[in-house]
Amino acid sequence: QQQVKQSPQSLIVQKGGISIINCAYENTAFDYFPWYQQFPGKGPALLIAIRPDVSEKKEGRFTISFNKSAKQFSLHIMDSQPGDSATYFCAASMEDSSYKLIFGSGTRLLVRP
Amino acid sequence: SAVISQKPSRDICQRGTSLTIQCQVDSQVTMMFWYRQQPGQSLTLIATANQGSEATYESGFVIDKFPISRPNLTFSTLTVSNMSPEDSSIYLCSVEKQGNEQFFGPGTRLTVL
Repeated sequence: QQQVKQSPQSLIVQKGGISIINCAYENTAFDYFPWYQQFPGKGPALLIAIRPDVSEKKEGRFTISFNKSAKQFSLHIMDSQPGDSATYFCAASMEDSSYKLIFGSGTRLLVRP
Repeated sequence: SAVISQKPSRDICQRGTSLTIQCQVDSQVTMMFWYRQQPGQSLTLIATANQGSEATYESGFVIDKFPISRPNLTFSTLTVSNMSPEDSSIYLCSVEKQGNEQFFGPGTRLTVL
């Protein structure tokens, strides 16, 4: 019940295309859903996050879509660029567990020029 | 956000030895966490570093193997004790700021021979 399932494992997108990464969770007590971007040799960087009281959040080219009833959320990267090539992790946490993050398995994104 | 530094950035150690990793943040924070990221894998929480009290360990991690100190609100250490090749990983500290956002340090890449 504490798992966060992420797909796909890897993704190849052409420059200018839309990258879509999906995550699903079971525990309805989760109340915070961040996405992290990690480049090789670096720590994960917080990209964007959402709470279950909204269905969508957009920051620049990055959008989170949240479906509370389906217990799913996704990251959309519009106009994908080669510089977006990185590993992306979804995560979930809840106030009752001191906001410890449970991470998905990660998606390795490659954006081709 | 937060500026987080970790020392060392990488190390190569011999089996049976111990390594202490330092994490320094540029402002006082209540919550600090230690994560492990095995090669090509996702992040797994080791423990929550509590200021003024013993760390809280996740299932599968024990204090004898991963002793943690948190002497103040800006600093923590993680020791990897009696190392084996299976301990080869990236070790990351993170801090929680307002709004439950967690920010990660650059990581310490450990190789055990």
